[in-house]
Amino acid sequence: DAGVIQSPRHEVTEMGQEVTLRCKPISGHNSLFWYRQTMMRGLELLIYFNNNVPIDDSGMPEDRFSAKMPNASFSTLKIQPSEPRDSAVYFCASSLDGPNNQPQHFGDGTRLSIL
Amino acid sequence: KNEVEQSPQNLTAQEGEFITINCSYSVGISALHWLQQHPGGGIVSLFMLSSGKKKHGRLIATINIQEKHSSLHITASHPRDSAVYICAAPKVGGSQGNLIFGKGTKLSVKP
Repeated sequence: DAGVIQSPRHEVTEMGQEVTLRCKPISGHNSLFWYRQTMMRGLELLIYFNNNVPIDDSGMPEDRFSAKMPNASFSTLKIQPSEPRDSAVYFCASSLDGPNNQPQHFGDGTRLSIL
Repeated sequence: KNEVEQSPQNLTAQEGEFITINCSYSVGISALHWLQQHPGGGIVSLFMLSSGKKKHGRLIATINIQEKHSSLHITASHPRDSAVYICAAPKVGGSQGNLIFGKGTKLSVKP
C-alpha cells in the first residue's frame, strides 16, 4: 500500500500567489481530512470529506481557502490569495470510515512558506 | 468548552525507563486518538480507543471514560521512541469530524 501521497513536499511562494496542495488518499478509504499545523496553534482540522462530500468545513479559516474532492482518489486544498500567516505544514489524512471509527493515515505533509 | 490537555509538555528519559504520558479531556467522547509525530514531521496513528486498554508492542494506551482521562505508556523505552505524542478527541457539539488536538508531549529518550 502506497499510503497517503501529498504533493508538493515543500512550497515557497510570494504572498498574493495562488497555492494548490494535492492529496491522493489510500485506495478504498472513504474519508479524507485536511489538517494544518503551526507552532502557535498545533494541529487543526480544516475540512473533512466523506465519500467525496464535504462534511465539516468549520475549520477552514476564511474564504481564501477552498478544498475539493472531485473523485475518491484525489483532493486539493487551494489558497488564493496566499498570505504570510498561511505558512504552516499542511497534512492530508484518510481513513476507511469516518474520523472515529477507523484510524487515520497521514501523508508526509506539505511545508508551505509564504514570503 | 471542548478541551484536550496533555502532560507533561516535555519529557526526558533514559533508555529502558517506563514512560507515561497523560491526556485529559473536558467532555464525553466516542473515541480518543493517540498520534506520534516523528522528528522529521511524519504523523502516525498509534491508537484509537473508546474504552479499556489497547497494546501494540511496547506501547499501551488506556482510557477511563468516567474520569475523562487517557494514558499512553511506553515500556523499555528506546531512543527511537523520541517523538512528539499527541492525543485528540472529537469536538462535541459540532460535526463529528472535528478533532480537538492536545499540544503534544515532546519525548526525548537518551541512550
